Amino acid sequence: DSGVTQTPKHLITATGQRVTLRCSPRSGDLSVYWYQQSLDQGLQFLIQYYNGEERAKGNILERFSAQQFPDLHSELNLSSLELGDSALYFCASSVDWRLAATDTQYFGPGTRLTVL
Amino acid sequence: QKEVEQDPGPLSVPEGAIVSLNCTYSNSAFQYFMWYRQYSRKGPELLMYTYSSGNKEDGRFTAQVDKSSKYISLFIRDSQPSDSATYLCAMSTLGGGADGLTFGKGTHLIIQP
Repeated sequence: DSGVTQTPKHLITATGQRVTLRCSPRSGDLSVYWYQQSLDQGLQFLIQYYNGEERAKGNILERFSAQQFPDLHSELNLSSLELGDSALYFCASSVDWRLAATDTQYFGPGTRLTVL
Repeated sequence: QKEVEQDPGPLSVPEGAIVSLNCTYSNSAFQYFMWYRQYSRKGPELLMYTYSSGNKEDGRFTAQVDKSSKYISLFIRDSQPSDSATYLCAMSTLGGGADGLTFGKGTHLIIQP
């Protein structure tokens, strides 16, 4: 158990809908990352937050957004869902990116999203 | 050409064998290299973390980085059925937590009892 928690475990919804995925980082971790894992693309970085602020962006679609709250938990919002958004969504956390060589990312168990 | 290439397998070996898993990459700016293990329907679990070129050993696992060849390896000695999983290599230019990691697509490893 990495200490990163994600809810819900599974989510089934329809095209065009909007969903929110939630992540709680390990105690003391300031950074949160979101990744999408699909069979064809593999594990892809979406976005990073550090202490409430957006720090880095990857291949995140405009229909997707995220935020990190003062208690450091994070939410990933996915809107106007398409069939191709069906995937595993992982959250990861790390202590502090400024630690550079020693800072590492620990992954949560993921949320499986199915868009019908 | 993808930034990180990894043979998807499956790679099937008998219990007790030495396993070699590899990744190649094209971005010479990568300096931090990681190996994650992912069991079916679970999140990736960090196994090894190395900086720049060289070797690092942890129990039955050895990670090697050859930056001149843009090639990294993970060796598993005395492989066990519990090692059966997908192994993902990951890389970063600025540090393990500086931004998002770039992953290979993973190698599915099967250890036969």
